[in-house]
Amino acid sequence: DTGVSQDPRHKITKRGQNVTFRCDPISEHNRLYWYRQTLGQGPEFLTYFQNEAQLEKSRLLSDRFSAERPKGSFSTLEIQRTEQGDSAMYLCASSLEAAGTQYFGPGTRLLVL
Amino acid sequence: EDQVTQSPEALRLQEGESSSLNCSYTVSGLRGLFWYRQDPGKGPEFLFTLYSAGEEKEKERLKATLTKKESFLHITAPKPEDSATYLCAVQASNAGGTSYGKLTFGQGTILTVHP
Repeated sequence: DTGVSQDPRHKITKRGQNVTFRCDPISEHNRLYWYRQTLGQGPEFLTYFQNEAQLEKSRLLSDRFSAERPKGSFSTLEIQRTEQGDSAMYLCASSLEAAGTQYFGPGTRLLVL
Repeated sequence: EDQVTQSPEALRLQEGESSSLNCSYTVSGLRGLFWYRQDPGKGPEFLFTLYSAGEEKEKERLKATLTKKESFLHITAPKPEDSATYLCAVQASNAGGTSYGKLTFGQGTILTVHP
């Protein structure tokens, strides 16, 4: 069991730049989730996939955010024209099925200067 | 809208001093309540899932219980290595009884255990 992996672990960028994060779920898991966590808060849901289909997006998610899971395996989360308010830990989780336990990766910490 | 509130926000204990963390929730239909542990700079680590009122689960010094409105995480004789943030989350089910999938988290309880 290799667990959920995320890359990069840390990213520093300047305001207005685009950034892309990658998540590799546990190999047989067909559900993949993205969450965002700011300091002192619990993770907040962003979006999730079942295989390659994106089934739900949070209404709090700006149009600058886009996520893909092209072959139902790894996923990418892109943030365009980053803002200082985007600074957070971005967490990926996967589960074997809709009702399954979600296992989290180590996260990507983003700092927008 | 699903809501989860955890208390206290922070808890300081002496090694061996047992205590409880609270998680109050409102959800349209509960599919499951989850407890996670999170160490600084890391992703949440799964601890327990509880599905129905009256259910209890144990792991080492931790025991989680569930009622229709809240869950408790009991810590018996804690050690310094139990220091972490403990997160509670709910997963709702829709009217058909199938899961929506996403988790709604509380803000967490920061536990510090002093030797």
